[in-house]
This record gives sequence, structure tokens and C-alpha cells, in this order.
Amino acid sequence: RKEVEQDPGPFNVPEGATVAFNCTYSNSASQSFFWYRQDCRKEPKLLMSVYSSGNEDGRFTAQLNRASQYISLLIRDSKLSDSATYLCVVKQAAGNKLTFGGGTRVLVKP
Amino acid sequence: GAVVSQHPSRVICKSGTSVKIECRSLDFQATTMFWYRQFPKKSLMLMATSNEGSKATYEQGVEKDKFLINHASLTLSTLTVTSAHPEDSSFYICSARVLREGLSGELFFGEGSRLTVL
Repeated sequence: RKEVEQDPGPFNVPEGATVAFNCTYSNSASQSFFWYRQDCRKEPKLLMSVYSSGNEDGRFTAQLNRASQYISLLIRDSKLSDSATYLCVVKQAAGNKLTFGGGTRVLVKP
Repeated sequence: GAVVSQHPSRVICKSGTSVKIECRSLDFQATTMFWYRQFPKKSLMLMATSNEGSKATYEQGVEKDKFLINHASLTLSTLTVTSAHPEDSSFYICSARVLREGLSGELFFGEGSRLTVL
């Protein structure tokens, strides 16, 4: 089993719709969680951290479920510019190592 | 915000040559930088952790003699792909984490370097 797993997609989303997807992690000792966004042939950029109580940033909502060991990302009122690959990133309790999921590709269409 | 700069962004070389990629932290000091490799439509794979003033820590399966890492200053880490072969063609990305108030834990990435070995 991979340390961090994501549905690769693509998720084809009509503009204005809501899309949500999960990321599962295998190490129960994982400490910190992040969602990064990567556009085609570009470097990843931090979208948001994921807090235990869940957090929202504009149209984006992130949730953490420690019992089931997954995090989720929900995008409301999708924009064409939301089309990208969303990478789930997990940091273990010890050390600096971050583990990346394979990414979920989202395509928002008019 | 913090910025990490990587150079060159694109390099094409002949098989057997060595290629050096630079990663600089522009407005902060990074005692630790990370080097990743990404194949098309795949996720980032951590290759090594670059430690300022000491040897890099390589991930399992990554040849340290093939991928030489030097972190001589607090703002510069270099990755040298030695005797490059076509299978080394990939997207190499460096990153550094800013550990200060307001930006704690955020990982900033360089722009990436696309290596093509002919």
C-alpha cells in the first residue's frame, strides 16, 4: 500500500459546480497535512494546510479524518482556473520528510 | 513571501555529460533543501535532503554518486547529474521550508528544471 494515495482522476467538473476528492494516508503517526496545486509543467504551490478541525479558504474547504486516515478537499463554485492537479502532502511526526500523493487531476469545463 | 529560485529551467545535453542544477533561497536562509524528481503525470519523488555544511541524505534507491548534492551555503544547494543518460531525463524540482512566524511549515518550490538527455 502506498503511503499516500489519491484518485488520479480526471474529475471533469462543470463550471460553477462543486467537486470533492480524498487522499488516504497509511501512517497513523502522520502529523501535518497539506494540499498543493500543480499546474501543467509547473512547480507545486501551497493551496492550504489542513487543520484537525477542518478549515476553509474562500471556495476551498479541507477536512481531516484521523480515524479513517484521510483528508479531503472540496472546491465550491468551480472556476475554469481551478483546473490543475491537486497534490496531497503528508508530513510524518519526525524529521522533515514530506510524502506526496500521486495527485488528483481536476478539469473544469464551461 | 519566500521565494526559491532554480536554474536552469530547461537543459538539453548529450548522453555522458554532467549537468548541474542550482537551487537558491532568495530571501531566507535554508539549512535544509529537498530535491525531487517528477516523471510525466506522476507525483514528486523525494530524491534527497540537502543539509547545509554536511552530507546529503539520500532516499532509498537513489544513487548518491549519480546525483551529487552540494549545499555549501545557507542559500544555495546544487544537484549534479553525473554522466547523464536518457533515463535521467525528468523534471527536477528543489524546495525549502520556511520556518518563521507566519510561514511556518510551508514548502516553497523552485520553478523546476526539465532535463532532456539525448
